[in-house]
Amino acid sequence: SQQGEEDPQALSIQEGENATMNCSYKTSINNLQWYRQNSGRGLVHLILIRSNEREKHSGRLRVTLDTSKKSSSLLITASRAADTASYFCATVRSGGSYIPTFGRGTSLIVHP
Amino acid sequence: NAGVMQNPRHLVRRRGQEARLRCSPMKGHSHVYWYRQLPEEGLKFMVYLQKENIIDESGMPKERFSAEFPKEGPSILRIQQVVRGDSAAYFCASSPEDRGNTIYFGEGSWLTVV
Repeated sequence: SQQGEEDPQALSIQEGENATMNCSYKTSINNLQWYRQNSGRGLVHLILIRSNEREKHSGRLRVTLDTSKKSSSLLITASRAADTASYFCATVRSGGSYIPTFGRGTSLIVHP
Repeated sequence: NAGVMQNPRHLVRRRGQEARLRCSPMKGHSHVYWYRQLPEEGLKFMVYLQKENIIDESGMPKERFSAEFPKEGPSILRIQQVVRGDSAAYFCASSPEDRGNTIYFGEGSWLTVV
């Protein structure tokens, strides 16, 4: 089964609004990563947050991690039409081989 | 610095034929991952390789699928006797080391079995 599961599956907002996506996982992790995928393209890495970190920022992106709840959130502020894409979280388990395991993703549509 | 290069981008095969997908990792990267993505779904891990070594192939079907990453040349994902259910996007990613850090993806190879 997938380690990470994103919520919601789909999100539709207007340009300028904030978009929040959540990711829940099941086992202890080494780190959690967020990726973006435009239709028909490969995945692009956005942010990596380690298990001992609680929050990270990158431009308009803010990622939080709550290891007690085994969840993470990705916030995109002041969204743009160009942010339309699918967003995936990937978890790397602590111990074992370092293989990122992906969820099913959140499909974000930002209307201009 | 070129990114992860995958070819072909699109491949059409008839049922029963073989499909070979190639992946050249980023310069300096010695670890390669292969994932499969079905329409409207996430990426499913298939195999994790280091040069001349398969580290983890737990996600790869036991039959018809094989992968290699030779000392010289690209990593190859080989699918023998393809069936319609093999139609999917196959993504390769690479990383410089085995520490669970960021992996970098190629643009994918879209396999269609007719």
